[in-house]
Amino acid sequence: GENVEQHPSTLSVQEGDSAVIKCTYSDSASNYFPWYKQELGKRPQLIIDIRSNVGEKKDQRIAVTLNKTAKHFSLHITETQPEDSAVYFCAASLGGGNKLTFGTGTQLKVEL
Amino acid sequence: GAVVSQHPSWVICKSGTSVKIECRSLDFQATTMFWYRQFPKQSLMLMATSNEGSKATYEQGVEKDKFLINHASLTLSTLTVTSAHPEDSSFYICSASPSGSYEQYFGPGTRLTVT
Repeated sequence: GENVEQHPSTLSVQEGDSAVIKCTYSDSASNYFPWYKQELGKRPQLIIDIRSNVGEKKDQRIAVTLNKTAKHFSLHITETQPEDSAVYFCAASLGGGNKLTFGTGTQLKVEL
Repeated sequence: GAVVSQHPSWVICKSGTSVKIECRSLDFQATTMFWYRQFPKQSLMLMATSNEGSKATYEQGVEKDKFLINHASLTLSTLTVTSAHPEDSSFYICSASPSGSYEQYFGPGTRLTVT
């Protein structure tokens, strides 16, 4: 079936540094790519998303880039802060619909 | 905006009993709701897609007779785990999509423990 690969599985950065998480997808019909942040025991929260007709989107310290030809998209967090520590999941829509397939998650730790 | 509630937040039940979990969109109408299961330190696995007024669509490997889904209105979907067993213990999370939208907003989850 269609899947989404996510790397790295864990990422440790110093406060103030940037963090980059990458995902690749297999369904060429995918056209919606959200990113979620999940703190331990809590719900996933939508932090940013991008549609297939856009190559890049930015919201303050968070940005997402999409390369449809290569079928990969990335999350960029700049000026990381301790409260950015969480698990981040990428996802891709399936078959042009609104059903999502999730990546395996990245545990981000921002150290002081 | 886009608030989704889920009830209960946690439940402990005995093996063989049934448990019902409710998912509500509080400030928007959701034609589609989704039910996921998440095991510790793992990703979200889609169990089924719930469409208001029609039968749910289950993912491969998910028993529809065990996980009963009812989407009775544009703001409420329920998941009933029937004849629960310890291996059903997990974190169950719903999400809802505003009508005509791709975005999914998640409920806070229900931690089910079957003893």
